[in-house]
Amino acid sequence: EVQLVESGGGLVKPGESLRLSCAASGFTFSNAWMNWVRQAPGKGLEWIGHIKDKGDGGTTDYAAPVKDRFIISRNDSENTLYLQINTLKTEDTAVYYCATQIGDFWGQGTLVTVSS
Amino acid sequence: DIVMTQSPDSLAVSLGERATINCKSSQNVLYSSNNKNYLAWYQQKPGQPPRLLIYWASTRGSGVPDRFSGSGSGTDFTLTISSLQAEDVAVYYCLQYYGTPRTFGQGTRLDIK
Repeated sequence: EVQLVESGGGLVKPGESLRLSCAASGFTFSNAWMNWVRQAPGKGLEWIGHIKDKGDGGTTDYAAPVKDRFIISRNDSENTLYLQINTLKTEDTAVYYCATQIGDFWGQGTLVTVSS
Repeated sequence: DIVMTQSPDSLAVSLGERATINCKSSQNVLYSSNNKNYLAWYQQKPGQPPRLLIYWASTRGSGVPDRFSGSGSGTDFTLTISSLQAEDVAVYYCLQYYGTPRTFGQGTRLDIK
């Protein structure tokens, strides 16, 4: 059974940093492109970025609004995906989801609240 | 960036009736070398993550009931629910995965009339 479990969310102050994790199981994580998607309260889905598998170069792509502050990485030996968020802003408040390449599997999400 | 525009923003349909949601992309998402449309549809219920319904514009995801179907090509796509059930009340999103950044439509809220 495929499982994606996000963690690391919480209440943080503007300007702080946070690292989210996504623990994967039930599939060959090292062969998968992985996505991060977020959803602000009451809003739609916003693609943040993805990381390719090592075979496709292991490179990352990001949405323009986050490319200077967000970093996606992966540890294939631990089947874990990461999202480093720097200089948090109030508008980063959202549920953050990890998902497989075309979104066939999603985690339950982790809530990040940015407030002073 | 490819802009995805869904219509309508919301709709209400009677139980057992057909529901149709449209999605238009600002650029072609049909990859000519494999003749595949890089377009997916998702269903999201309150408090839940999205669920993949359709990929490659018309292929149903695993376990998705056959009342859900996707059609279209190029820039214009449709999600059809042939006979609406109560459990289909949700917000529906299209996504293009042809280009980077990936982009979602704004969502369509579907309710029971």
